[in-house]
Amino acid sequence: AQKITQTQPGMFVQEKEAVTLDCTYDTSDPSYGLFWYKQPSSGEMIFLIYQGSYDQQNATEGRYSLNFQKARKSANLVISASQLGDSAMYFCAMREGPPSNTGKLIFGQGTTLQVKP
Amino acid sequence: AAGVIQSPRHLIKEKRETATLKCYPIPRHDTVYWYQQGPGQDPQFLISFYEKMQSDKGSIPDRFSAQQFSDYHSELNMSSLELGDSALYFCASSTDSTGELFFGEGSRLTVL
Repeated sequence: AQKITQTQPGMFVQEKEAVTLDCTYDTSDPSYGLFWYKQPSSGEMIFLIYQGSYDQQNATEGRYSLNFQKARKSANLVISASQLGDSAMYFCAMREGPPSNTGKLIFGQGTTLQVKP
Repeated sequence: AAGVIQSPRHLIKEKRETATLKCYPIPRHDTVYWYQQGPGQDPQFLISFYEKMQSDKGSIPDRFSAQQFSDYHSELNMSSLELGDSALYFCASSTDSTGELFFGEGSRLTVL
């Protein structure tokens, strides 16, 4: 079974509008971490935001916020006021176990976002 | 702020040759990860090291080996290269205090 599911292969958004990228996860571990990364066409993997399973507040980093709904096992990324430079592939990923668990991240298949002027 | 440094950024090799990729983690990060991303794919975990010891192993071929050195930098050695090894190879580092994990810019390997 897929541990991380990103159901939107591609998304369009108008510049300056907000957009939500969906991510659902599956784990039986009570401690885990959820990540979002941006990968532009140049290839680098840019860390955007992190949410720990025990964090009470939704994570926010500038124009990025993570809509964490634990009961629904969803961790959607919200980008406010989209900019042309936001056009990229976006990956949701999960670490099972606490931060001290140095195991792997499990990635979703990614969502390609295109921002239209 | 210092980031994860990978070298070389681009590498072209012939089949059956060997290649070595290097990774310098963020200072005070004690864990290093290696990922392989094929064209149009999501990154696949290869191997990780914590405090210079292998901590987890993923889908790393037997032709590949890696280690972490006393200064925490890591090297991924790839031998008997095949066309299918052409990919973007990422190194990432983390510290167990925050849970955040940062990637380098990647090393693009092309096998001809």
